[in-house]
Amino acid sequence: GAGVSQSPSNKVTEKGKDVELRCDPISGHTALYWYRQSLGQGLEFLIYFQGNSAPDKSGLPSDRFSAERTGGSVSTLTIQRTQQEDSAVYLCASSPMDRVREQYFGPGTRLTVT
Amino acid sequence: GENVEQHPSTLSVQEGDSAVIKCTYSDSASNYFPWYKQELGKRPQLIIDIRSNVGEKKDQRIAVTLNKTAKHFSLHITETQPEDSAVYFCAASRGNSGAGSYQLTFGKGTKLSVIP
Repeated sequence: GAGVSQSPSNKVTEKGKDVELRCDPISGHTALYWYRQSLGQGLEFLIYFQGNSAPDKSGLPSDRFSAERTGGSVSTLTIQRTQQEDSAVYLCASSPMDRVREQYFGPGTRLTVT
Repeated sequence: GENVEQHPSTLSVQEGDSAVIKCTYSDSASNYFPWYKQELGKRPQLIIDIRSNVGEKKDQRIAVTLNKTAKHFSLHITETQPEDSAVYFCAASRGNSGAGSYQLTFGKGTKLSVIP
């Protein structure tokens, strides 16, 4: 079946602009995660959605970052007033309800802030 | 919070030899330990995982061992092949119910090169 998809695959933006990154999880997966991968670094947790529960936003680095998940499916990560240090690959992952620990990743969005 | 250390950062082996990557974790409540393989420009892919109620798990040429007392776990790849070349990430999570409990804390990765 179709895996996790993300769009756009690449995004170049000017410092100070807002960006929106989209994630389509695997159909039927109830949990959705956003991670950030900086050059040469591991993956850094940002935010977690599980069903209708309140999201865990504990990994968001600043109040410029926010995320929504509409209808329990598609999620959008928004970064306002982008800074150069926001440049990274933003990865989305989803998990099925019966194997909630297994996270399946999308291809990521490479964000470059100039 | 959880901290995961991964070693080595780079590893080169001859084709056919074994490769071992080690990780340590700090949170004794962590109970789920997956390994991901990430090829250049591709998404991380789950290759094997282990839960804290077992000490070892094997899947063909790949095995993972866990030492809960010492809080470390290792990935073992036997009979390495050139297609095993990639960056490997270990991770840990607490895996309990409740918001955020399933988030993964990742190591910084090991770049494995298998030399033909």
